[in-house]
Amino acid sequence: EVQLVESGGALVKPGGSLTLNCAVSGVSVTNDWMSWVRQAPGRGLEWVARIKQGTNGGTTDYAASVKDRFHIFKESSKNRVFLKMDNLKVEDEAIYYCTHESGSDWQLDSWGRGTLVSVSS
Amino acid sequence: QSVLTQPPSASGTPGQRVTISCSGSRSNIGSHGVNWYQHLPGTAPKLLIFGNSERPAGVPDRFSGSKSGTSASLAISGLQSADEADYYCATWDDSLGGVFGGGTKLTVL
Repeated sequence: EVQLVESGGALVKPGGSLTLNCAVSGVSVTNDWMSWVRQAPGRGLEWVARIKQGTNGGTTDYAASVKDRFHIFKESSKNRVFLKMDNLKVEDEAIYYCTHESGSDWQLDSWGRGTLVSVSS
Repeated sequence: QSVLTQPPSASGTPGQRVTISCSGSRSNIGSHGVNWYQHLPGTAPKLLIFGNSERPAGVPDRFSGSKSGTSASLAISGLQSADEADYYCATWDDSLGGVFGGGTKLTVL
């Protein structure tokens, strides 16, 4: 069974930085694709970033709204995925979910319970 | 404004059949399979349908999905109060990456 546990959410000021952590069990982050998805208060789900298979690397993709500010990476030895967020904006405030991908059509078959990022001065 | 268009709300009475539509374009639904997620507030979203019409293990056959061209739909038959939730369609877009619909809030009357 795949289990994903996010941590690292906090209250930060606009312009600040934060790194989210996703502890993964049941699958290997080396071999699988992982994504971060967020939900702002009162809004729908929004894809943030994706990292493909590969040891401590792998090709990455980003939503236009976070490109050049967010960085997704993984640490294969600890089976964890991270999301480093720089220059945070008020509109980045959301619950951030770590997700596991399977298949060929971007199906997110496992989700964590999420971690809350608040951005306010 | 979401890339995939869903109605903001839907409703039905217990036992009824309801459908939720999802409209996109050639670069997303027209080129990739569509997935559907069920999201109850305060919980992790759950994959309901993948690859347009496939159900993960454990999802009742009351839930079904279909796709035609650049549109997709989710049907729920034998509606139950436990089905009250937000439903999202999603797929990959060749230019934008992962895209979700705006979500449909299903109310069981």
